[in-house]
Amino acid sequence: EVQLVESGGGLVQPGGSLRLSCAASGLTVASSFMSWVRQAPGKGLEWVSLIYAGGSTYYTDSVKGRFTISRDNSKNTLYLQMNSLRAEDTAVYYCARFVVIQPRFDYWGLGTLVTVSS
Amino acid sequence: EIVLTQSPGTLSLSPGERATLSCRTSQSISNIYLAWYQQRPGQAPRLLIYGTSSRATGIPDRFSGSGSGTDFTLTISRLEPEDFAIYYCQIYDTSPTFGPGTKVDFK
Repeated sequence: EVQLVESGGGLVQPGGSLRLSCAASGLTVASSFMSWVRQAPGKGLEWVSLIYAGGSTYYTDSVKGRFTISRDNSKNTLYLQMNSLRAEDTAVYYCARFVVIQPRFDYWGLGTLVTVSS
Repeated sequence: EIVLTQSPGTLSLSPGERATLSCRTSQSISNIYLAWYQQRPGQAPRLLIYGTSSRATGIPDRFSGSGSGTDFTLTISRLEPEDFAIYYCQIYDTSPTFGPGTKVDFK
């Protein structure tokens, strides 16, 4: 059974930093395409970042230069380093596996809430 | 950039009724690139349909997807109480993109 468990969310001031983690079981992060998707309160889903199995990384325009996606293969864990946080980054952040053929997010974590506020 | 439009914004129905949800893309896309998700209140999204019409593992056959070009449809043949939720379509162009969602609520 695949499980994705996010952690690291919380309250942070504007301009601050936070690192989210996604611990995986039942799948191998190193050989998967892994992604972060966020959902602002009462809003829809927004793709944030993607890391390919080969290591290439991609970001939505609004977080480029501020967020960094990475993984630790030995811990089977995905990360999202978030710097220079803004109020508009406030959201639940979901970790999800992305399947490239017939593209889709097939496994999702429960999410972790990030609140950016002074 | 391809823009997704979902309609209606809200669909008010009763259990046992048929639900028809629309997703339109601003440009024609291949069928392989369209997926649908269900999100119940307080829960993570769940993959329902991928490749326009393939049901994900464990998804009941009352859920079906169809369409081509720019017009795609998610149909729930007979609504069960647990089907009242928000539904999102998603495409992959240069990056994954989600539609704004359709809420199916109780009439």
